[in-house]
Amino acid sequence: ELKVEQNPLFLSMQEGKNYTIYCNYSTTSDRLYWYRQDPGKSLESLFVLLSNGAVKQEGRLMASLDTKARLSTLHITAAVHDLSATYFCAVDRSRQGGSEKLVFGKGTKLTVNP
Amino acid sequence: DAGVTQSPTHLIKTRGQQVTLRCSPKSGHDTVSWYQQALGQGPQFIFQYYEEEERQRGNFPDRFSGHQFPNYSSELNVNALLLGDSALYLCASSLVGQTSTEAFFGQGTRLTVV
Repeated sequence: ELKVEQNPLFLSMQEGKNYTIYCNYSTTSDRLYWYRQDPGKSLESLFVLLSNGAVKQEGRLMASLDTKARLSTLHITAAVHDLSATYFCAVDRSRQGGSEKLVFGKGTKLTVNP
Repeated sequence: DAGVTQSPTHLIKTRGQQVTLRCSPKSGHDTVSWYQQALGQGPQFIFQYYEEEERQRGNFPDRFSGHQFPNYSSELNVNALLLGDSALYLCASSLVGQTSTEAFFGQGTRLTVV
């Protein structure tokens, strides 16, 4: 059974600081997703990582994927308050192209303090 | 371009009742997946519909059933509601055959069972 583990589950950081969220998964998969969720809201797609060594950046967030280590990281640079949210990684279990049966981690609740 | 839309946004039901949730996929998408997100947890896959048939199913009891219509919209039905069914129900749409496609999520339906 595929398991996805994120750590930390809770992260409180100061504005301007850097930090990394880790996502480990238990079985082979070549597709990993990062989502952001604000309280009471739906999931907003941040990154789709499709191959080993993939690195994507958007603003202060950068995600990477190491399929050999079954590890993805979400790095936050110079955090700002607007980044406060819960971040989920999800791994695609599907073996059929294009469809997703996503297995999610428990999420990392990020709070950025002034 | 309308994204994924779900209705209703909030719902309160009594134990033992039945509920139907609705989802319209993003324009051009043909696959609909349903997820249950309990408070403080990551979303869990319920099932997926493609070509009006259930294509994949997660570890949910038969009380959870669904349907997909020719226009690709979908319904999630839950019978004999339990208090533990209280959650945010998310619908995601995607396109079969596109290996790089990502799932787009709707705003969710908050179901409260009392």
